[in-house]
Amino acid sequence: GENVEQHPSTLSVQEGDSAVIKCTYSDSASNYFPWYKQELGKGPQLIIDIRSNVGEKKDQRIAVTLNKTAKHFSLHITETQPEDSAVYFCAAHTGGFKTIFGAGTRLFVKA
Amino acid sequence: EAGVAQSPRYKIIEKRQSVAFWCNPISGHATLYWYQQILGQGPKLLIQFQNNGVVDDSQLPKDRFSAERLKGVDSTLKIQPAKLEDSAVYLCASSFHRDYEQYFGPGTRLTVT
Repeated sequence: GENVEQHPSTLSVQEGDSAVIKCTYSDSASNYFPWYKQELGKGPQLIIDIRSNVGEKKDQRIAVTLNKTAKHFSLHITETQPEDSAVYFCAAHTGGFKTIFGAGTRLFVKA
Repeated sequence: EAGVAQSPRYKIIEKRQSVAFWCNPISGHATLYWYQQILGQGPKLLIQFQNNGVVDDSQLPKDRFSAERLKGVDSTLKIQPAKLEDSAVYLCASSFHRDYEQYFGPGTRLTVT
């Protein structure tokens, strides 16, 4: 069935360093890949997304890359800050308009 | 613009009892989603509505879960009877249309004892 794998499950970085989270998807018809940030007690919040006709997208300190051939996409956060600490989820929007989420990455940014 | 509203925020019930959750999406959003998020996992889609019609309910345990979206606006999700494994956060999300970004509500944390 449709599946999204996300790695690592936990990531700890020093403030100012970069953080990279990687995801792979199984449905080759997937065409939309959003990334969400979830803070404790809140719902997921979209931070960046990319569509299948684009290879890379950047928004200030965050960027997402997509390799359709390999069916994987990554989130890059540069110059990390303590307020970036949260759980991050990747997701893939399948050809059937269903959104499949990864298991999440808990990011810790140490001051 | 007001966000997605959900109530209640927290609910504790005993197994075999019933419970209902309410969601009010962002005004003008045609698509509404209910997700189940078990602690430590990503959200899992339970049901997706396009206006007041069901688009996908393939992962909804239909023997105990039901959902409706009357008039294509508000929605309710019901569990009857609840099981221990239903303990989770139930998230509602909405989007302008099926292929657009989703906006999530704060969720309802359900504990079944």
